[in-house]
Amino acid sequence: DTGVSQDPRHKITKRGQNVTFRCDPISEHNRLYWYRQTLGQGPEFLTYFQNEAQLEKSRLLSDRFSAERPKGSFSTLEIQRTEQGDSAMYLCASSSGLPPYEQYFGPGTRLTVT
Amino acid sequence: AQTVTQSQPEMSVQEAETVTLSCTYDTSESDYYLFWYKQPPSRQMILVIRQEAYKQQNATENRFSVNFQKAAKSFSLKISDSQLGDAAMYFCASRDDKIIFGKGTRLHILP
Repeated sequence: DTGVSQDPRHKITKRGQNVTFRCDPISEHNRLYWYRQTLGQGPEFLTYFQNEAQLEKSRLLSDRFSAERPKGSFSTLEIQRTEQGDSAMYLCASSSGLPPYEQYFGPGTRLTVT
Repeated sequence: AQTVTQSQPEMSVQEAETVTLSCTYDTSESDYYLFWYKQPPSRQMILVIRQEAYKQQNATENRFSVNFQKAAKSFSLKISDSQLGDAAMYFCASRDDKIIFGKGTRLHILP
């Protein structure tokens, strides 16, 4: 399977705990994106990487959120001291960075903070 | 700033009929890309169709076509011969620097 994969698919955690999600992009893609999607809404951009460099972060990405892509391949998104408002689907997407800039999405990680 | 607006939160269409989903956008760029993505229930987002802003011809992919009105900044999606498998959330998206999504339209297909 050469698509975008995310792990875990579901995560239930208690408020205040830290969680980490992983995304494996399509192997030849150098751009990797993280989005957050709440129920009934479209995906909201969080951050993106070109290779290992984090090029942009949304204002939505509070200090409790950190993302890395250390070797320019897989990426991790960590949320520290989770809050109930962090409950959402976290989507990862990758693209080649070339026109037409199509992004391929993973299945997402659904986070529930209790 | 880029914005994408989908004014129809939900729509329904009879199987085999045609439905049009509306989208308007705003961007300051002259060259950009527009997309329609489909997100079936509990399944991942997939690209339905794309349009390059510099191309005047409307994109078509099988039963899916767009009506791209650049001056009006309108980008609607037409689904012909609707099928049960078309039931999903449909997101309009615009890209100049990064992709910005609309809030989506939930499409119901009535058998």
